[in-house]
Amino acid sequence: SAVISQKPSRDICQRGTSLTIQCQVDSQVTMMFWYRQQPGQSLTLIATANQGSEATYESGFVIDKFPISRPNLTFSTLTVSNMSPEDSSIYLCSVRGTSRQETQYFGPGTRLLVL
Amino acid sequence: QKEVEQNSGPLSVPEGAIASLNCTYSDRVSQSFFWYRQYSGKSPELIMSIYSNGDKEDGRFTAQLNKASQYVSLLIRDSQPSDSATYLCAVTPRSDRGSTLGRLYFGRGTQLTVWP
Repeated sequence: SAVISQKPSRDICQRGTSLTIQCQVDSQVTMMFWYRQQPGQSLTLIATANQGSEATYESGFVIDKFPISRPNLTFSTLTVSNMSPEDSSIYLCSVRGTSRQETQYFGPGTRLLVL
Repeated sequence: QKEVEQNSGPLSVPEGAIASLNCTYSDRVSQSFFWYRQYSGKSPELIMSIYSNGDKEDGRFTAQLNKASQYVSLLIRDSQPSDSATYLCAVTPRSDRGSTLGRLYFGRGTQLTVWP
């Protein structure tokens, strides 16, 4: 499976500010995804990061709040904009290969606390 | 994304017993099903994947899929205290059928405790 790293691993931010989270994979992957896991909750898919084009967002998530970049097949960023305490969560990057039945693997996550 | 339902538990079993975790899904044409294990403070790790009706065994783990009943389960035999974690069921949604999108929708997870 691919080795996935995320930066930062954790951060404490003030409301109204923005934070950019980086996801780096050690091999080229077709699909990259961003998930959110709020305290005590399961994973919710935010968007699919598309290489060379705009991300595909799930219902309830918008580009202005969660802009995503994916400049190549090994790297993506997620920005959490104009943060509020409700954005306190773990943000996880995941990757999937080229096969239909190939599974997703998750990065270590970024723990975000908004004060 | 509320397509996957799990009993949140907690489920508590003694060491050596069989733990049975259940998951139902609403999308009849879902094709791919996964079980992830998540230890507290860690990211999810894949345990099992299953795509066809029936049972799939991997060591102490058995995944069971019944598409007619829209039901997938995970059995853990000879449960160990190290199996104590939250188990997440995930499915590929209808709109991704036949594509390479591969998005996953997760259930809320079942917290399992195996006591010695």
